[in-house]
Amino acid sequence: GENVEQHPSTLSVQEGDSAVIKCTYSDSASNYFPWYKQELGKGPQLIIDIRSNVGEKKDQRIAVTLNKTAKHFSLHITETQPEDSAVYFCAASDFGNEKLTFGTGTRLTIIP
Amino acid sequence: GAGVSQTPSNKVTEKGKYVELRCDPISGHTALYWYRQSLGQGPEFLIYFQGTGAADDSGLPNDRFFAVRPEGSVSTLKIQRTERGDSAVYLCASSLRFTGELFFGEGSRLTVL
Repeated sequence: GENVEQHPSTLSVQEGDSAVIKCTYSDSASNYFPWYKQELGKGPQLIIDIRSNVGEKKDQRIAVTLNKTAKHFSLHITETQPEDSAVYFCAASDFGNEKLTFGTGTRLTIIP
Repeated sequence: GAGVSQTPSNKVTEKGKYVELRCDPISGHTALYWYRQSLGQGPEFLIYFQGTGAADDSGLPNDRFFAVRPEGSVSTLKIQRTERGDSAVYLCASSLRFTGELFFGEGSRLTVL
């Protein structure tokens, strides 16, 4: 089955700086890669996703890049703000399979 | 509200007892998922329903775990003979099929003493 590894497990950045979180996956059949944000006591919430037919996708301060050859994808957050502090999870699936495999999460702390 | 609703939010039980966790998905969402999240880990897939039937139950850890969705809306996750290792947050999510986005509830935190 799919295995997703995520790094780093914790990340602290100064407000206004950029944050990068990286994930690798094992199953070459995976073609759908979402990122979820989880705040304390809440369920995860989708923030951005990418499918394997594109290499990069951007939505305001958030971007995701995908390298299918190397089987890795990354989340980039620019101009970080205190409300970006949360745990971020990457995930992968064979789209249509409906079963997401999640990474172990990155706790992002934005320092004011 | 219009989101996924899970009850109870917290459940404390003793080893060996039976528990039921309920999920009320977003109206009109035909797909429903159960995930389990242990402390410091990502959500782990348990089971997926498309309508009333379990389309994929490959994540259920053993036969003590069972889930139903009899009318294609509300789902119940049932755990028999609970063990301390079952302690976790059980997350429910729903989606419109083939859109990719899962809408998660806030979870039911199960503690087995």
